Amino acid sequence: DIQMTQSPSSLSASVGDRVTITCQASQDISNYLNWYQQKPGKAPKLLIYDASNLETGVPSRFSGSGSGTDFTFTISSLQPEDIATYYCQQYDNLLTFGPGTKVDIK
Amino acid sequence: EVQLVESGGGLVQPGGSLRLSCAASGFTFSSYWMSWVRQAPGKGLEWVANIKQDGSEKYYVDSVKGRFTISRDNAKNSLYLQMNSLRAEDTAVYYCANGRGAFDIWGQGTMVTVSS
Repeated sequence: DIQMTQSPSSLSASVGDRVTITCQASQDISNYLNWYQQKPGKAPKLLIYDASNLETGVPSRFSGSGSGTDFTFTISSLQPEDIATYYCQQYDNLLTFGPGTKVDIK
Repeated sequence: EVQLVESGGGLVQPGGSLRLSCAASGFTFSSYWMSWVRQAPGKGLEWVANIKQDGSEKYYVDSVKGRFTISRDNAKNSLYLQMNSLRAEDTAVYYCANGRGAFDIWGQGTMVTVSS
């Protein structure tokens, strides 16, 4: 089974800050990596697919990069509406989600 | 409107059974793999199972193998999850989602509580 780790588990940042979340796979998953945003009481929302592709309609301040085992998710300028938990997810071998990163406003 | 609507959740005793349904609309259901994903209260997301377009391939997370069965009826644009031998640790919101990799359509979720 492929295990996914994320860091940090939570962070607080100011509006306008650049926010970076990392995700690591326990083995090479090529670019089979997606990022989701989940707000309390809501279903997750796909933001980035195949490691670096922005889903249609998602603001360009969100971006992703990486391949193999190490991936990065970035919010270039944090906005109040970005308060949420962010999950990475691999689909190279079945599917596994990372444990999530909770993002708050400082 | 593209939509997934889950139903069938509720309170069930340990060892009991429940069947979840997911009704799809607004897209060609028969063209997509479909999945179930769950989220225990206050916890992260866990993929549960998925099924190929024609139902010929099905995959499960280890913790539900032998207890849960995923199925679909393309004529009814519906996805199902039969859950048997339920345990307290199966308590979660269950979401259906389209796809095999990236899930761009999600339902609103249905809550399953396993408790005596």
